[in-house]
Amino acid sequence: DGGITQSPKYLFRKEGQNVTLSCEQNLNHDAMYWYRQDPGQGLRLIYYSQIVNDFQKGDIAEGYSVSREKKESFPLTVTSAQKNPTAFYLCASGIPGPSLGPQHFGDGTRLSIL
Amino acid sequence: EDQVTQSPEALRLQEGESSSLNCSYTVSGLRGLFWYRQDPGKGPEFLFTLYSAGEEKEKERLKATLTKKESFLHITAPKPEDSATYLCAVYGVGGGKLIFGQGTELSVKP
Repeated sequence: DGGITQSPKYLFRKEGQNVTLSCEQNLNHDAMYWYRQDPGQGLRLIYYSQIVNDFQKGDIAEGYSVSREKKESFPLTVTSAQKNPTAFYLCASGIPGPSLGPQHFGDGTRLSIL
Repeated sequence: EDQVTQSPEALRLQEGESSSLNCSYTVSGLRGLFWYRQDPGKGPEFLFTLYSAGEEKEKERLKATLTKKESFLHITAPKPEDSATYLCAVYGVGGGKLIFGQGTELSVKP
């Protein structure tokens, strides 16, 4: 079955620690996205990538970093500079360009502070 | 600035009681409006895409409609399994980013 796999499902971060969230897709989509979801707020875009080896900042990129070395993978690192990292993180993929079809989502990683 | 507002924030229905969810949008040039369903602890599940005013899409008890300023998600004779948060999102004229509303949390009681 094609889809998006996020891991781990739950993650705990200590003060001063960087943590990396994994996102893998087998939908053959060129574009991948990272969102943050907080209670009572809509999804907010952290970073996105429309092609391998290229990515752009979204609306709330500070304290986060990404890489896109393979089409299938788009890991997100939450650095110690992100002072309020507790949230539900969602990865998505889609087809960029004029058709602008829907993005498809993984089942998320919930990050908490120890 | 592109913006999406959903109402109500929460909606409680009895099983079989039909209703509608609203998604109002402000974008400089709509290039697609999307409805998603999200269950607790899960990622959003794609429901519908609408591209132009007057367009309608249906799936089981759900029907999505689009005007130049808003979209409605009509739920006919809902069942408890329809309980979820429904999200609306739009692509603006730039096309690179989806802009999400805050969602409507729907609860259907038997």
